[in-house]
Amino acid sequence: ETGVTQSPTHLIKTRGQQVTLRCSSQSGHNTVSWYQQALGQGPQFIFQYYREEENGRGNFPPRFSGLQFPNYSSELNVNALELDDSALYLCASSLDYSSYNEQFFGPGTRLTVL
Amino acid sequence: KNQVEQSPQSLIILEGKNCTLQCNYTVSPFSNLRWYKQDTGRGPVSLTIMTFSENTKSNGRYTATLDADTKQSSLHITASQLSDSASYICVVSLRDMRFGAGTRLTVKP
Repeated sequence: ETGVTQSPTHLIKTRGQQVTLRCSSQSGHNTVSWYQQALGQGPQFIFQYYREEENGRGNFPPRFSGLQFPNYSSELNVNALELDDSALYLCASSLDYSSYNEQFFGPGTRLTVL
Repeated sequence: KNQVEQSPQSLIILEGKNCTLQCNYTVSPFSNLRWYKQDTGRGPVSLTIMTFSENTKSNGRYTATLDADTKQSSLHITASQLSDSASYICVVSLRDMRFGAGTRLTVKP
């Protein structure tokens, strides 16, 4: 186990709804990254937070937003859900944002949008 | 076009056999290259990490190689076990991480 947890495990929403996914990082890890993984594909980078500030963003629209809290927890919020948002959402924590630091992944949240 | 291409897309081998998975990348320069193992429905777990100046790294039955001149990496698995059945993902990092689509390995008894 990596020490990174995510909730919920599975979630079903309908198009147009909003969703909040949660991640608890390893204690002491100041950086959390979120990824979207479609079936049969590698993870795609959504954004990264370092010390509660956004520290980089992938090619995702503004309806994907996030928060990081001082207690090593974080959230991914998605508004106006679309069918293509159905995927496994992974969070990964690391000591800091350096690419040399290993990222420890959580088990993911499987989101289905109907 | 994905900057990290993996082959084959899927592979089936018998328990005890060896196999080699390939990764070609166009990300340049880069700081490190990682191989991850991802069980179905789980998050990826790191197997090896190599900087651009390293050309081999082992972790038990897993050996990764890197040729920075040809921009190729491989992951060799020896004496495969049923528990090796998973997706293996190659990741090239500079400021962010670029993931390949993975190779789905199935080990059969």
